[in-house]
Amino acid sequence: EVQLVESGGGLVQPGGSLRLSCAASGFIFSSYGMNWVRQAPGKGLEWVSYIRSSSNTIYYADSVKGRFTISRDNANNLLYLQMNSLRDEDTAVYYCARDGIDRVPFDHWGQGTLVTISS
Amino acid sequence: DIQMTQSPSSVSASVGDRVTITCRASQGISSWLAWYQQKAGKAPKLLIHTASTLQSGVPSRISGSGSGTDFTLTISSLQPEDAATYYCQQADSFPYTFGQGTKLEIK
Repeated sequence: EVQLVESGGGLVQPGGSLRLSCAASGFIFSSYGMNWVRQAPGKGLEWVSYIRSSSNTIYYADSVKGRFTISRDNANNLLYLQMNSLRDEDTAVYYCARDGIDRVPFDHWGQGTLVTISS
Repeated sequence: DIQMTQSPSSVSASVGDRVTITCRASQGISSWLAWYQQKAGKAPKLLIHTASTLQSGVPSRISGSGSGTDFTLTISSLQPEDAATYYCQQADSFPYTFGQGTKLEIK
């Protein structure tokens, strides 16, 4: 069974940093692209970042470019999101989501981890 | 960036009704469109990809159609467990973008 479990969320002051993790199991992690998607309280879904299976291709939403860094550890089945210079508008539940085979997007999601930016 | 526009933003229907949600892309995306269902407090769930392919385990009363810029999600016979918010998403090019969501309420 595919499982994605996020961790690392919490309360951070504006301008602070946080690193989210996503532990993957139940599939060959090194074969799949991975994403971070977020959802502000009461709002819709916003794609944040993508990393290819081999880490050789990475994309970011304009809203986080230059502040967030996606990475992965295929040996330990882990996905990361390093978030720096955090702003109030980064407050959201952050989900990791797997890209399926043949360009099937977001076929499995984690349960999410809440990031709250507040002074 | 490709903008995705869903309508309606909310809909209320009775058990057994047929419900249709539409999604329009600001430019052609071929069939690179997915639909998700999100229930309150839960992660989204993939329902349909490549516009009309039902994800494994999704009931056959749910279907998708369209190509280019106009797409629809149809629930042929509404069930109580279909109460949720539905999102379309284009997978044609990065940045991936979602519609604003359609909240489906059961009367």
